[in-house]
Amino acid sequence: NAGVTQTPKFQVLKTGQSMTLQCAQDMNHNSMYWYRQDPGMGLRLIYYSASEGTTDKGEVPNGYNVSRLNKREFSLRLESAAPSQTSVYFCASSPGLAGAVSPKNIQYFGAGTRLSVL
Amino acid sequence: KQEVTQIPAALSVPEGENLVLNCSFTDSAIYNLQWFRQDPGKGLTSLLLIQSSQREQTSGRLNASLDKSSGRSTLYIAASQPGDSATYLCAKNSGGSNYKLTFGKGTLLTVNP
Repeated sequence: NAGVTQTPKFQVLKTGQSMTLQCAQDMNHNSMYWYRQDPGMGLRLIYYSASEGTTDKGEVPNGYNVSRLNKREFSLRLESAAPSQTSVYFCASSPGLAGAVSPKNIQYFGAGTRLSVL
Repeated sequence: KQEVTQIPAALSVPEGENLVLNCSFTDSAIYNLQWFRQDPGKGLTSLLLIQSSQREQTSGRLNASLDKSSGRSTLYIAASQPGDSATYLCAKNSGGSNYKLTFGKGTLLTVNP
């Protein structure tokens, strides 16, 4: 059972280059999330998608765009990478029962993408 | 801005010891609180989720408690083992939906054989 799969696992970019981080889940979850984790800052939410067809900004959305391609896939794009975007990026998903609040709405995380921008 | 604080930032204990990890939050509005484990170079794994209507949750050697009035949660680990060594993070959901979590910075636990 794959769960949440992120690609690539590692990436090195030069300042100004663009790239897309891919995320796919096979748990039929409605909600998906992108976080970044930096030393001393903890995990911070970049964007989330409560359900297919919707996306919303999180705490640190500047410099990023997202696409909820379908129910399974949620991608994160850096249009013009900057050194400040060097981080570990995590994708997560949860059942996210639309219109209801569920105590079972635990978030499941991928293994992360380690990105360096030089 | 709501904050989630975890103290201590790092903890080292001998194998077999019982220990408590602390999590405090500034905003008393809470829907649920989750505890996660993160191994080096890995993603997060959910350990326990406590609803605001609950006072504690248990899973094996782990027990998490929630005190909304004081804005605190604790994760109790009984009879610690070297395999428990990891970073433990708490995350608070204060919204009307389960969509957004606010994370603490974590406690790095080392259990020495």
